[in-house]
Amino acid sequence: AQSVTQLDSQVPVFEEAPVELRCNYSSSVSVYLFWYVQYPNQGLQLLLKYLSGSTLVKGINGFEAEFNKSQTSFHLRKPSVHISDTAEYFCAVANFGNEKLTFGTGTRLTIIP
Amino acid sequence: DADVTQTPRNRITKTGKRIMLECSQTKGHDRMYWYRQDPGLGLRLIYYSFDVKDINKGEISDGYSVSRQAQAKFSLSLESAIPNQTALYFCATAAGGSYNEQFFGPGTRLTVL
Repeated sequence: AQSVTQLDSQVPVFEEAPVELRCNYSSSVSVYLFWYVQYPNQGLQLLLKYLSGSTLVKGINGFEAEFNKSQTSFHLRKPSVHISDTAEYFCAVANFGNEKLTFGTGTRLTIIP
Repeated sequence: DADVTQTPRNRITKTGKRIMLECSQTKGHDRMYWYRQDPGLGLRLIYYSFDVKDINKGEISDGYSVSRQAQAKFSLSLESAIPNQTALYFCATAAGGSYNEQFFGPGTRLTVL
């Protein structure tokens, strides 16, 4: 079975500061990894995904994430955040050949002006 | 127009009532999913369907049923609503073989009194 852990339920960050949102996964097979963002009162949008190849993946709005197989992590980073980045961020995992996503519990990113 | 629509967007009902939440998509995807979102718990899969004749239970299907009326329509029913089914419900779609890149609707906020 696959699982995802997002240890930080809330992360406050000053505007223009860097941020890292942590995600660790557990799976006995190879995985696909995703980050989704949920802006207030909206559905989820795909931010970025890792399928294979380069372990550093770039997404929309200046976000990037690095797949680390040895540490079973897929942390999300942005070098300089903006007020508009205020949202909840979900990490998700899917095993190869399994067309179901397992989501983490989410991290609420709050940007402080 | 939105690719994935959900109706109603908000619903308040009473314990014991039958409720149907509807999802329609214009993306031409064959995979459709229903999730519920609860604070601190992330998204949990209720049911999913890979085509009109294929319906599968997710991790929390008790108390729910679904109907895939057409490739573009996937409905979720609560036969006898109870207060702990108060949550935000999301429909999502994906194309087969798309490595689980799912597209989400705007959500239905359901309150059971």
